[in-house]
Amino acid sequence: GQNIDQPTEMTATEGAIVQINCTYQTSGFNGLFWYQQHAGEAPTFLSYNVLDGLEEKGRFSSFLSRSKGYSYLLLKELQMKDSASYLCAVRDGDYKLSFGAGTTVTVRA
Amino acid sequence: ETGVTQTPRHLVMGMTNKKSLKCEQHLGHNAMYWYKQSAKKPLELMFVYSLEERVENNSVPSRFSPECPNSSHLFLHLHTLQPEDSALYLCASSQDSAGEHGELFFGEGSRLTVL
Repeated sequence: GQNIDQPTEMTATEGAIVQINCTYQTSGFNGLFWYQQHAGEAPTFLSYNVLDGLEEKGRFSSFLSRSKGYSYLLLKELQMKDSASYLCAVRDGDYKLSFGAGTTVTVRA
Repeated sequence: ETGVTQTPRHLVMGMTNKKSLKCEQHLGHNAMYWYKQSAKKPLELMFVYSLEERVENNSVPSRFSPECPNSSHLFLHLHTLQPEDSALYLCASSQDSAGEHGELFFGEGSRLTVL
C-alpha cells in the first residue's frame, strides 16, 4: 500500500518560517504535489516536484529527494492567511494521486 | 472559484434514502475524480474517469455508484448508505494524467451526513 507521512499540526509566528516535512513510500513515483486547503474550502495546488531539488514560487518553496522518499514545503514570511491545512500527495501511477493526512498550520500574531 | 462546481454543498440523508451528488467542470479537462475526505484522514480516491471511461475504482462499496455522461459532468449516486459514510466528498478534474503537472483542480465539496 501507499504510505505518506506528515506532521499533524504546526504553529508559527507571523513573519517567521515554517518547514513541513513529508516522507513517502509508494509503489511508484510520478511526481509529488503540495496543496493548500483552508477550512471549508477546496484544496488548491501549490507546487509540483518530479526531479530532485528545490522549486521556488514566491514565499513558498518545495524540495524533493527521490532517493530518500522525502519532500518539504517551506513557507517564508508567514502571514495570517497562511493558516490552513497543507496536503502532501504523490502520483504513483497514471491517475492515482495518494494523499497524506495533511498538516494544519496555525499562524499566530 | 476553481472552475469545478459541486452541488449540493450540504446533504443530510437517512440510510434508506437515494440521493446524488453532482459535479461540473468548466475547464475543458479530460479526467474527473471523486475523493472522500474524512476528518484527520488522508483523501481517499474513489473513482477516476478519463474521457468518460472509468479507469480507476478503488474497491469502493457498491452503495456508491458513479456516472460520467460527458467530460464535463460527473455524478455520484448514493443508496443505502451507512453512518460511517458521512464525510466531505470532493470532485476534481485534470487536463493530463501525467506530464509536467497534471495537477488536480478541486471543487469545494459536498458535506454528507448519514443519519
